[in-house]
Amino acid sequence: QVQLKESGPGLVQPSETLSLTCTVSGFSLTSYGVNWVRQPPGKGLEWMGTIWNDGSTDYNSALKSRLSISRDTSKSQVFLKMNSLQTEDTAIYLCARGVFYYYDGTYYWYFDFWGPGTMVTVSS
Amino acid sequence: DIQMTQTPSSMPASLGERVTISCRASQGISNYLNWYQQKPDGTIKPLIYYTSNLQSGVPSRFSGSGSGTDYSLTISSLEPEDFAMYYCQQYDSSPPTFGGGTKLELK
Repeated sequence: QVQLKESGPGLVQPSETLSLTCTVSGFSLTSYGVNWVRQPPGKGLEWMGTIWNDGSTDYNSALKSRLSISRDTSKSQVFLKMNSLQTEDTAIYLCARGVFYYYDGTYYWYFDFWGPGTMVTVSS
Repeated sequence: DIQMTQTPSSMPASLGERVTISCRASQGISNYLNWYQQKPDGTIKPLIYYTSNLQSGVPSRFSGSGSGTDYSLTISSLEPEDFAMYYCQQYDSSPPTFGGGTKLELK
């Protein structure tokens, strides 16, 4: 069955770089894209970026200068790196599989499976 | 970025009740609108994609509608497992953005 699971350090110092891994199973990264979404404590969801099935990437313009998403298809892993972390980056970070297709002149894009998320606290 | 405004932010409701959650976009989004449910344990799953298409495995008591800037999610008869957070999300333009969420609570 399809599963995604995030992993990484729970605590990061301000100004340092966050590195997270999303390990997937039950599907191929060359068939589906994977998205990163974050959720500050008690708040809503923010899309961070995606790595498409062809390996290309798109980022939220608000984070683009700090964010990088990459993958290792042989290990079924997607990586997030974000630098210059500040306290406002404290959040649960989630990865989600993206479904994207065109049909009858319309395009469909939604996130059908999500990981449980990993809490990242930015603090000294 | 397109702003998504959900109303209400919280909604007390009873088992068996019919409820509707609204989502308004800051500009027209051509039906490129999805709905998600987040359970208290954090688990997120899709309910509706492209305004009104029911995701596989989602009960038929869930439905979506709308056009232009205004969209809604309706639950026809609340079950105990429906008390959760609900988010709308547009993908008409990048970045895809989510509404602030609606917390459905047991009255």
